Amino acid sequence: EVQLVESGGGLVQPGGSLRLSCAASDFTFSSYWMTWVRQAPGEGLAWVAYTNQAGSERYYAGSLEGRFTISRDNAKNSLYLQMNSLRDEDTAVYYCARIGKSGYNFDNWGQGTLVTVSS
Amino acid sequence: QSVLTQPPSASGTPGQRVTISCSGSSSNIGSKPVNWYKQSPGTAPKLLIYSDDQRPSGVPDRISGSKSGTSASLAISGLQSEDEGDYYCAARDDSVIYVFGTGTKVTVL
Repeated sequence: EVQLVESGGGLVQPGGSLRLSCAASDFTFSSYWMTWVRQAPGEGLAWVAYTNQAGSERYYAGSLEGRFTISRDNAKNSLYLQMNSLRDEDTAVYYCARIGKSGYNFDNWGQGTLVTVSS
Repeated sequence: QSVLTQPPSASGTPGQRVTISCSGSSSNIGSKPVNWYKQSPGTAPKLLIYSDDQRPSGVPDRISGSKSGTSASLAISGLQSEDEGDYYCAARDDSVIYVFGTGTKVTVL
């Protein structure tokens, strides 16, 4: 069974940085696009970024490009999200997900990690 | 804000059929596959429908998806208490790359 486990969330001050990790197991990680999705408290889902199998292609939600960086280490079966210049509105649960082979659907999700930006 | 619009809520009694709409444009639903996700309280989302009308293994056939023009729909037949939750449509978009719908909360009365 596909497993995705996020870590690295926590409390950070506005303007600070945080790096999220997503450990993948029980599938061939290097064969799949991967993505990050976030959900602010009481709000809907919002796509953050995705990357291709090699990590050479990266796409971001418009408002986040320049502050967030998605990356991966296929040798470690891990996906990352580096978040800089954090703002109050970045407070959310961050999910990593695998992108399925059939057209940009997110077919397996982690349990999420909470990021709280507050002074 | 999202470019895919869903009704904020939908409800029905056990056994009824509930339909959720998702309205978009030619840059997303009109030209890209639509996916649907369900999120139960306190849990991660789960893929329900992909490529407009395909069900992943394990999703019952009383759940179905369809698309016409720039709108998509999710139908839940034989409504059950376990169907309660939040439902989101999603699709790629020419402008914003990928977008989720505004979400619909389904309540079983």
